[in-house]
Amino acid sequence: EAGVAQSPRYKIIEKRQSVAFWCNPISGHATLYWYQQILGQGPKLLIQFQNNGVVDDSQLPKDRFSAERLKGVDSTLKIQPAKLEDSAVYLCASTPTGTGVEKLFFGSGTQLSVL
Amino acid sequence: AQSVTQPDIHITVSEGASLELRCNYSYGATPYLFWYVQSPGQGLQLLLKYFSGDTLVQGIKGFEAEFKRSQSSFNLRKPSVHWSDAAEYFCAVGASGSARQLTFGSGTQLTVLP
Repeated sequence: EAGVAQSPRYKIIEKRQSVAFWCNPISGHATLYWYQQILGQGPKLLIQFQNNGVVDDSQLPKDRFSAERLKGVDSTLKIQPAKLEDSAVYLCASTPTGTGVEKLFFGSGTQLSVL
Repeated sequence: AQSVTQPDIHITVSEGASLELRCNYSYGATPYLFWYVQSPGQGLQLLLKYFSGDTLVQGIKGFEAEFKRSQSSFNLRKPSVHWSDAAEYFCAVGASGSARQLTFGSGTQLTVLP
């Protein structure tokens, strides 16, 4: 079974530039999460999708971050414009339909460096 | 709101010694509790999880954790640490219900001395 796929693996940009990350969850997984993990901290939830609808985006900095999951499958997370404090690993995770965090699968993440 | 506290930022143990990593949680109902491990540049790997039943949970790599409701704790233990256990360890609590999410602690960095 293929895992949660994320790309790119690494990204380096300058502040005020824009960047996008892509996530393809495991086939059949209805719920998709984006987490931000700053160095030395635990992952923090940014947004949760159920199919193509947003369940929770209360911790997403909406002035610069956006995310979509148009067809209820893969998802993109965008930052525009990026700030230095956005340097982090962005993790995507998914769970099968009908389950919750007890069957959560994480991708390897995208490491973003903002210079 | 749910929250997790890992009081120890960094722990150093000698190889072969026993290990206990502390985790305290705050959650209104019976929580789902998890321990993950993360090596440098690697993704999160699930060590073990607790949902209900037996409060002593066995995981991979010889780890175990004990759920203590009275203390709101879910400490991770290993009787004999190996050099390959050096990594960062995260405790997490999961919400039940329709908006199920994981909330992570800030992590404990484990160093293993030869």
